[in-house]
Amino acid sequence: DTAVSQTPKYLVTQMGNDKSIKCEQNLGHDTMYWYKQDSKKFLKIMFSYNNKELIINETVPNRFSPKSPDKAHLNLHINSLELGDSAVYFCASSQGPLGPNYGYTFGSGTRLTVV
Amino acid sequence: GDSVTQMEGPVTLSEEAFLTINCTYTATGYPSLFWYVQYPGEGLQLLLKATKADDKGSNKGFEATYRKETTSFHLEKGSVQVSDSAVYFCALSDAGNMLTFGGGTRLMVKP
Repeated sequence: DTAVSQTPKYLVTQMGNDKSIKCEQNLGHDTMYWYKQDSKKFLKIMFSYNNKELIINETVPNRFSPKSPDKAHLNLHINSLELGDSAVYFCASSQGPLGPNYGYTFGSGTRLTVV
Repeated sequence: GDSVTQMEGPVTLSEEAFLTINCTYTATGYPSLFWYVQYPGEGLQLLLKATKADDKGSNKGFEATYRKETTSFHLEKGSVQVSDSAVYFCALSDAGNMLTFGGGTRLMVKP
């Protein structure tokens, strides 16, 4: 069983569209994250949820909205897609507030291409 | 704020060569330090970690020692293999709830 699964793996869409990326973890972790990896491999935190509550919200355009229906799921919805949104988006999870000390478990990423 | 600086790549080595990838950090507290590896087309995987000064993390022949005096956590391996070709990320966690990553270093190992 995949520990952290993201769908879709690839997403190609036109500018102005709205799209969602889904993430699910079966590890029983309390905390989930979204990271954006740009073309130079730089990783930047976007959001973090702990038990369905938003705890980190970095400077991200309002077009990005995370949704956590339960602690095993954290979805990312993006409105009015722009060319600069093209990147690989990674979902990750960890074991609660001290989770990072035990490391994250990452999904395999969603490559978003906006044309 | 917290930050992590890694040497820029790519690092190109021949098989069985010695590897060092430098990593230094800036943090206000006493962070835990990590190395993650990303193979082509995959997500990041935890390679090793150290949670306090002078700790040595090790895994799969890779090692890194937490040096508080030099704020460093350099990654080393005595003899690299082609299968070690990947992007390596240094990261820290400083009592908060997230990891801060360095910019990644691409390693290419040639037969």
